[in-house]
Amino acid sequence: SAVISQKPSRDICQRGTSLTIQCQVDSQVTMMFWYRQQPGQSLTLIATANQGSEATYESGFVIDKFPISRPNLTFSTLTVSNMSPEDSSIYLCSVEETSSYEQYFGPGTRLTVT
Amino acid sequence: DAKTTQPPSMDCAEGRAANLPCNHSTISGNEYVYWYRQIHSQGPQYIIHGLKNNETNEMASLIITEDRKSSTLILPHATLRDTAVYYCIVKGNNDMRFGAGTRLTVKP
Repeated sequence: SAVISQKPSRDICQRGTSLTIQCQVDSQVTMMFWYRQQPGQSLTLIATANQGSEATYESGFVIDKFPISRPNLTFSTLTVSNMSPEDSSIYLCSVEETSSYEQYFGPGTRLTVT
Repeated sequence: DAKTTQPPSMDCAEGRAANLPCNHSTISGNEYVYWYRQIHSQGPQYIIHGLKNNETNEMASLIITEDRKSSTLILPHATLRDTAVYYCIVKGNNDMRFGAGTRLTVKP
């Protein structure tokens, strides 16, 4: 199975600043996803990031607030811009393994905005 | 929106089988049923998936009804470490969308 790492694992940020979260996979994958999990809630898909194309955002999420990069088949970043306390969540990176279609998740980045 | 319905919570005695139901009455012919679990503060862990046949692996068994409108995840011998939120997900070609899941508590 794909092994996914995320940096940072957690951070505390001030209102109005931005944070970039990195996601690294140990194998080449076509499809990567970013999710948000607010306290006590289930996971919500933010966007799908395929290498070589613009990220596709779900309803309620916009590129200006959550810009995503996907420079190659093993790496992606998600930036949370102009943060407010409502952005305090766990942000999770996920990949779909090309051979098995199984989807795996990273450990998450716990973000607290003060 | 999630396309599945699960009970919000269930209890199971340690050592007994845990049977977690899921309804997915609007599932399409090319959509798979996936199960994940999330232990507190960790990323979701893949358990098993299937299309229409029953599946078994080292973690669990997946029983899908003939009409594919519902399924059951079976943990044959639940342990305390199986306490988690279990998500049943219907997945087509691309993204995976999570519902509220079932919080399973395994009790000694």
